Amino acid sequence: GAVVSQHPSWVICKSGTSVKIECRSLDFQATTMFWYRQFPKQSLMLMATSNEGSKATYEQGVEKDKFLINHASLTLSTLTVTSAHPEDSSFYICSARAAVPLAGARGGTDTQYFGPGTRLTVL
Amino acid sequence: KNQVEQSPQSLIILEGKNCTLQCNYTVSPFSNLRWYKQDTGRGPVSLTIMTFSENTKSNGRYTATLDADTKQSSLHITASQLSDSASYICVVPLGLDSGGYQKVTFGIGTKLQVIP
Repeated sequence: GAVVSQHPSWVICKSGTSVKIECRSLDFQATTMFWYRQFPKQSLMLMATSNEGSKATYEQGVEKDKFLINHASLTLSTLTVTSAHPEDSSFYICSARAAVPLAGARGGTDTQYFGPGTRLTVL
Repeated sequence: KNQVEQSPQSLIILEGKNCTLQCNYTVSPFSNLRWYKQDTGRGPVSLTIMTFSENTKSNGRYTATLDADTKQSSLHITASQLSDSASYICVVPLGLDSGGYQKVTFGIGTKLQVIP
């Protein structure tokens, strides 16, 4: 249980195009999903927090018009990188927090389940 | 200043050996401490979550200890395997996110490499 998937696992695109990354909780409902970005040899940096049915909350320094987040259902959140540039190349990871505690969850509803990540390369 | 520091930054050990990773924190107020494992190119996986009253917690070959008085935690890996090669990240939540839950901030962690 507690599987979070991301699609695609990797993507290469040209500068100026937009890229959409999906994050799905496969076997549980997620009230909150998080989007992180990780550059090589650096830590995960939280970009935004999205609660189902409401607007995402972005961390300081993250452009909300560039990184569009849609959390339309309890199992799906999407991150769209608009007009991507080479400096947006990174590893994007989502996580989901369950609406109710899952069996074996360390930390109850506070537990985050992470997706496998999406490697974005902008040429 | 609220900080979490891990040591060593990197570690190489032989397969089958034990190792201990350290985490010192100055976060206040303290609620819990979490250890994550992140394989290269993958998302992190939770290993343990320890609250103030817990001194030790095991998850298979991983054993975490917590000393709330000295604000130190350790992660001990027994009989290491090649698959243990990963980054191990100690997280001490501080503050609340927009959903009212504890805000999790990740550091770089300790990069462990297990060699045959």
